[in-house]
Amino acid sequence: NAGVTQTPKFQVLKTGQSMTLQCAQDMNHEYMSWYRQDPGMGLRLIHYSVGAGITDQGEVPNGYNVSRSTTEDFPLRLLSAAPSQTSVYFCASSSGGQDYGYTFGSGTRLTVV
Amino acid sequence: DQQVKQNSPSLSVQEGRISILNCDYTNSMFDYFLWYKKYPAEGPTFLISISSIKDKNEDGRFTVFLNKSAKHLSLHIVPSQPGDSAVYFCAASGRNRDDKIIFGKGTRLHILP
Repeated sequence: NAGVTQTPKFQVLKTGQSMTLQCAQDMNHEYMSWYRQDPGMGLRLIHYSVGAGITDQGEVPNGYNVSRSTTEDFPLRLLSAAPSQTSVYFCASSSGGQDYGYTFGSGTRLTVV
Repeated sequence: DQQVKQNSPSLSVQEGRISILNCDYTNSMFDYFLWYKKYPAEGPTFLISISSIKDKNEDGRFTVFLNKSAKHLSLHIVPSQPGDSAVYFCAASGRNRDDKIIFGKGTRLHILP
């Protein structure tokens, strides 16, 4: 049981490049989210999904796209990377039961130069 | 506007003493509150939660207190241990399963030997 798997763990991008951060969970969770963590800013919600085919914006969605074609996968796309997107990105999933909130992946550290 | 506030960026506590981490919220629609713990280079892990119908929830050394009228919750760790040194995030969600979870900025707890 792997839980929430994020790839890659580290990535350096040049400004303007595009990439996809991968997130997969094997717990059959309906709910999945992407957060970014920046110094002094805590965890801010980028996008989230309440089930396959359903996504919605969080607090800081600009510059990011998501899709949820399967229950297991929730990729985060950066179409044109900017230095302001340098951050640590966490994917999380939940069964929707509020007792345990989200299970988080180990994160992707992204640097945009 | 920050809906979940952790006003203390850091806190130092002697080993064996009580650690008290505070959290305030502004959204009266929040119905469920969670605490997460995060070590460096790892994803956050769920610690303890409380529903708005309760004012206290206890799990071993960890107790969360909720004061709805003051829109304030606190996490008590007794006794504090070296392994408790981490960043603690307070989070809140509405009563619906589809409601997103909003996090505070976190408090870094240092347990001193």
